Amino acid sequence: GENVEQHPSTLSVQEGDSAVIKCTYSDSASNYFPWYKQELGKRPQLIIDIRSNVGEKKDQRIAVTLNKTAKHFSLHITETQPEDSAVYFCAAASDSWGKFQFGAGTQVVVTP
Amino acid sequence: EPEVTQTPSHQVTQMGQEVILRCVPISNHLYFYWYRQILGQKVEFLVSFYNNEISEKSEIFDDQFSVERPDGSNFTLKIRSTKLEDSAMYFCASSRPSSGNTIYFGEGSWLTVV
Repeated sequence: GENVEQHPSTLSVQEGDSAVIKCTYSDSASNYFPWYKQELGKRPQLIIDIRSNVGEKKDQRIAVTLNKTAKHFSLHITETQPEDSAVYFCAAASDSWGKFQFGAGTQVVVTP
Repeated sequence: EPEVTQTPSHQVTQMGQEVILRCVPISNHLYFYWYRQILGQKVEFLVSFYNNEISEKSEIFDDQFSVERPDGSNFTLKIRSTKLEDSAMYFCASSRPSSGNTIYFGEGSWLTVV
């Protein structure tokens, strides 16, 4: 089955700096890669996703890159703000609807 | 914006008891899911449900668990003979085919087994 590795487990950045979180996956059949943000005690919320036919996608301060050959994908947050502080999860899925394999999560702390 | 809703938000139960967690998926969604998150750990897939039957389940989803869509709106997860290690946040989620694999999570039901 699919195995998703996520690094780092914690990330502390100064406000205004960039944050990068990296994930690798094992199943070459995976073709959908969402990123979720989870604040303490809240539901995971989709912030950006990318499909395997695209190499990069951007939405304001958030971008995701995908390298299918190397089986890794990354989340980039630019100009970080304190409200970006949360746990971020990457996930991978193939054509099995909703059967995501999540990474272990990255605790991002943005300090003013 | 429509949301997945879950009840209860928090339930405390005695070990060995049965619990039912309820979910109302987004109304035009056809795929329904349950995920589990043990405190401080990652979100884990339990089961997916489509067309009134289980489409996939993980190794976590053993005979202790069952799901049901008793009517046109509710989607339930039943946990029998609860154990201490069943304590977790249980998230319901739903999706519709035209959105690809994008799923939307409910707020979660926090289950504490004592």
